[in-house]
Amino acid sequence: NAGVTQTPKFRILKIGQSMTLQCAQDMNHNYMYWYRQDPGMGLKLIYYSVGAGITDKGEVPNGYNVSRSTTEDFPLRLELAAPSQTSVYFCASSGTETQYFGPGTRLLVL
Amino acid sequence: QKEVEQDPGPLSVPEGAIVSLNCTYSNSAFQYFMWYRQYSRKGPELLMYTYSSGNKEDGRFTAQVDKSSKYISLFIRDSQPSDSATYLCAFIQGAQKLVFGQGTRLTINP
Repeated sequence: NAGVTQTPKFRILKIGQSMTLQCAQDMNHNYMYWYRQDPGMGLKLIYYSVGAGITDKGEVPNGYNVSRSTTEDFPLRLELAAPSQTSVYFCASSGTETQYFGPGTRLLVL
Repeated sequence: QKEVEQDPGPLSVPEGAIVSLNCTYSNSAFQYFMWYRQYSRKGPELLMYTYSSGNKEDGRFTAQVDKSSKYISLFIRDSQPSDSATYLCAFIQGAQKLVFGQGTRLTINP
């Protein structure tokens, strides 16, 4: 049981490039989430999903897109990377109140 | 007014001290009250949660909620160097979405 896994662990992007952050969970959870955490700050919700095929915006969705074709996977897409997207990205999943977090992806946009 | 206020610290105390961490919130719709612990370069992990006013104890940790004052606290007794981490208060509102505080960075000195 791996829990929540995220790839890559670290990535450097140039301004305007695109990339997909991968997230997978093996706990059969319906709910999945993407957060970003800026230095010294709490986590802000980007997008979330309550089940396969259903996604919705969180607090800071601009510049991101998501899809949820399976229960297990919830990728986050950055289309045109900007320096403001430099952050640590966490994926999480939950079945009830407890959210389980992945190890994070550190993204640097230069 | 911010939805959640949490003193970012940093907070540094000697080993064995009692630590008090606090958050205030403004949203009466918050249903669950949680504390997450985040070690450096790791994802947050749930430490404690409760849904009612009063105290909840788990080993050296006590979570306290005062809904009338919109105030929650986490107490750590007999603090250990391994408790050094960032502690984030979090609240659930609908669709299992979490709203986080900024986090308090805690260091326990041997």
